[in-house]
Amino acid sequence: NAGVMQNPRHLVRRRGQEARLRCSPVKGHSHVYWYRQLPEEGLKFMVYLQKENIIDESGMPKERFSAEFPKEGPSILRIQQVVRGDSAAYFCASSPPGFPVSSPLHFGNGTRLTVT
Amino acid sequence: SQQGEEDPQALSIQEGENATMNCSYKTSINNLQWYRQNSGRGLVHLILIRSNEREKHSGRLRVTLDTSKKSSSLLITASRAADTASYFCATAGGAQKLVFGQGTRLTINP
Repeated sequence: NAGVMQNPRHLVRRRGQEARLRCSPVKGHSHVYWYRQLPEEGLKFMVYLQKENIIDESGMPKERFSAEFPKEGPSILRIQQVVRGDSAAYFCASSPPGFPVSSPLHFGNGTRLTVT
Repeated sequence: SQQGEEDPQALSIQEGENATMNCSYKTSINNLQWYRQNSGRGLVHLILIRSNEREKHSGRLRVTLDTSKKSSSLLITASRAADTASYFCATAGGAQKLVFGQGTRLTINP
């Protein structure tokens, strides 16, 4: 069984460009989470999605950031007009149906975004 | 915030010794989870302990939870070089998300 797949692993963007980060959850998982991690720090929650619904986006900046988890296809985290401060590792995690976070999260290996 | 905070921030021990990491949090929880992260990789789940449990074991790992003190500990016995990693606690409360602490960087010296 494939785990959570994230791509690309590394992404370099110039300031002002758009970054699109993709996440395919574990097959059968219905909960998707996005987290951001700065070097030597913990993970900061950004957004929690179920299929076609954003459940909690309290950790995601209201400007420039958006996320979706369509009925078909991967979850996408989109960052418009990137700035240097967006440079970080972005992790996606999924969990099976049921009460969220009553089960362990399965994490991808992350996308490392560098803004030059 | 119910964010967990790990202590110590960094720990360096000799192979074969035991490693203990602590986690404190601020609000009531449904469960607390421990994860490991190797450099450049994603997090791997280690143990989930529910709020009505006090202790849980998995191989060389032992986790305790004291809800009255809002704290948890992770003990790794007979450490190995491969245990070198960052360890994070994460709390699950009323909100439908895990909130992670800053982590403990564990180094096992051969």
